[in-house]
Amino acid sequence: DSGVTQTPKHLITATGQRVTLRCSPRSGDLSVYWYQQSLDQGLQFLIQYYNGEERAKGNILERFSAQQFPDLHSELNLSSLELGDSALYFCASSQQGNIGNIQYFGAGTRLSVL
Amino acid sequence: LAKTTQPISMDSYEGQEVNITCSHNNIATNDYITWYQQFPSQGPRFIIQGYKTKVTNEVASLFIPADRKSSTLSLPRVSLSDTAVYYCLVGDYGFGNEKLTFGTGTRLTIIP
Repeated sequence: DSGVTQTPKHLITATGQRVTLRCSPRSGDLSVYWYQQSLDQGLQFLIQYYNGEERAKGNILERFSAQQFPDLHSELNLSSLELGDSALYFCASSQQGNIGNIQYFGAGTRLSVL
Repeated sequence: LAKTTQPISMDSYEGQEVNITCSHNNIATNDYITWYQQFPSQGPRFIIQGYKTKVTNEVASLFIPADRKSSTLSLPRVSLSDTAVYYCLVGDYGFGNEKLTFGTGTRLTIIP
């Protein structure tokens, strides 16, 4: 158990809908990362937050947004969903925000867009 | 962020030692080298991290030559449960818009 909690584990929705994925980082970790992994693909970095502020942005679509709350949990909002958004979405946390910091990953949320 | 290059896939027999090399020619002075393991439908798991020379823990060793332009993850006496994708991640950065990338990793298949 990495200590990172992601909910829900599975999500099935329809095209055009909006969903929210939630991540609780490990106790004491200030940084949260979001990744997308499509079938048999590598991990695509979406966005990183550090202590409530956006720190780095990857190839995140404009339809996607995220935030980190004062209690350090984070939410990833996906809107106007398309079939191609079906993927595993992982959240990771680390103590600080540097890449040298070890990232601990949650079990992921599997999103299916029908 | 240093770009990394790894073999796409490797096969090995049970009980063998497996070495996976990652090239990172433009590694910066402050960069660390970190390896992760990922099983299907699970989040990646930290294996080992190093800066220079050799690091060893209970599951693996990491060899880093003096020029730090490459690194080798060594898994001793692999078993079927070591079948997974292994990612090499290199970098250390401050605030900014640097992109984190795990790349496609190395798919290791252990043969009975």
